[in-house]
Amino acid sequence: AQTVTQSQPEMSVQEAETVTLSCTYDTSESDYYLFWYKQPPSRQMILVIRQEAYKQQNATENRFSVNFQKAAKSFSLKISDSQLGDAAMYFCAFSFGNEKLTFGTGTRLTIIP
Amino acid sequence: EAGVAQSPRYKIIEKRQSVAFWCNPISGHATLYWYQQILGQGPKLLIQFQNNGVVDDSQLPKDRFSAERLKGVDSTLKIQPAKLEDSAVYLCASSHGWSNRNTGELFFGEGSRLTVL
Repeated sequence: AQTVTQSQPEMSVQEAETVTLSCTYDTSESDYYLFWYKQPPSRQMILVIRQEAYKQQNATENRFSVNFQKAAKSFSLKISDSQLGDAAMYFCAFSFGNEKLTFGTGTRLTIIP
Repeated sequence: EAGVAQSPRYKIIEKRQSVAFWCNPISGHATLYWYQQILGQGPKLLIQFQNNGVVDDSQLPKDRFSAERLKGVDSTLKIQPAKLEDSAVYLCASSHGWSNRNTGELFFGEGSRLTVL
């Protein structure tokens, strides 16, 4: 069974600064997907960034980038130039093939003006 | 395109009562998921449908929870009788599923928040 661990229940960052959220996972599979989802308060969960395990290049989406270390089973999210709208719960998630997402427990990110 | 629709957004019931949640996925999405998100935790899969068939319901408490997707489109999740520990947000999500259009991404609705008193 796959597991996803987020060891930082809460993080805070000054507006315009950079923050990194950590995630580790455990799987015996070699081809899978990893995701970071954002869940603002009382709003729906949306995809932030996606990484395919067979790709060595780290995914980037504007101010969001990941550091994917397959051997270490680590998948961290870096948010650059943090904005007030980035405040939310961030969930790391794993998916194998066409199967369900397995989520971590989440990291609550606070942006300090 | 329209997103995943869920109703009701909020529901308060007494323990031992019943409740039903409805979900309409994104048009054309073959796979539909129901997740339970307890406060302070990550979402946990309750059931996964591929069209109108169940792919995974291993974590569904079948003595009190049931779900159906009769025509392979919208779905209903029912809890009967409810317990205090069922207080949670019930998230519905959909994806392209078993097709070459599948990117592994799930699209979520806004959720239905259940409070059991």
